[in-house]
Amino acid sequence: GAVVSQHPSRVICKSGTSVKIECRSLDFQATTMFWYRQFPKQSLMLMATSNEGSKATYEQGVEKDKFLINHASLTLSTLTVTSAHPEDSSFYICSAKGTSSFYEQYFGPGTRLTVT
Amino acid sequence: AQSVSQHNHHVILSEAASLELGCNYSYGGTVNLFWYVQYPGQHLQLLLKYFSGDPLVKGIKGFEAEFIKSKFSFNLRKPSVQWSDTAEYFCAVIPVTGNQFYFGTGTSLTVIP
Repeated sequence: GAVVSQHPSRVICKSGTSVKIECRSLDFQATTMFWYRQFPKQSLMLMATSNEGSKATYEQGVEKDKFLINHASLTLSTLTVTSAHPEDSSFYICSAKGTSSFYEQYFGPGTRLTVT
Repeated sequence: AQSVSQHNHHVILSEAASLELGCNYSYGGTVNLFWYVQYPGQHLQLLLKYFSGDPLVKGIKGFEAEFIKSKFSFNLRKPSVQWSDTAEYFCAVIPVTGNQFYFGTGTSLTVIP
């Protein structure tokens, strides 16, 4: 149980275009989902917290107009990177918090974004 | 500000060697602590966690960790590593009053057969 999927696993896009990444909780309902960014050889940095049906809360320094997050249902959150630039190239990971344990989060496999 | 430090960035061991990975955090209040593992090409998986009680916790695959409150530490140990333990290991902390994980920078473990 507690499986989180992400789609796509890899995406290459041209500079200036937008890319949408989906995060789904497959066998549980996730009222809260988190989006992280992982740079090579570095830790996961929390970008934003999304709660179903409400606006996402962004961490300091994260541009909310650039990284659009929508959490439209209890099993789906999307991250859209708008007007992507090469510096947005990174590994994006989502996690979902289930209802059984307040502190446990289940991580998706990540999406490798490359902007050319 | 809260932070999590993992002092070993890259560890190389031979099979059957013992492992200890350090994790220290800075936070004045009560926290819950986690160790996650990321095998090559796979997603983060929970190894073990500490919420309260016995400070020595056992996780999957023979791993254990000890919470030492006075040292703000939560070191990960395994008495005898295997080649299949080659992975990236992340320590994470979440304050009991909060919602946000704070991750360490990770330790890359390479086990040589």
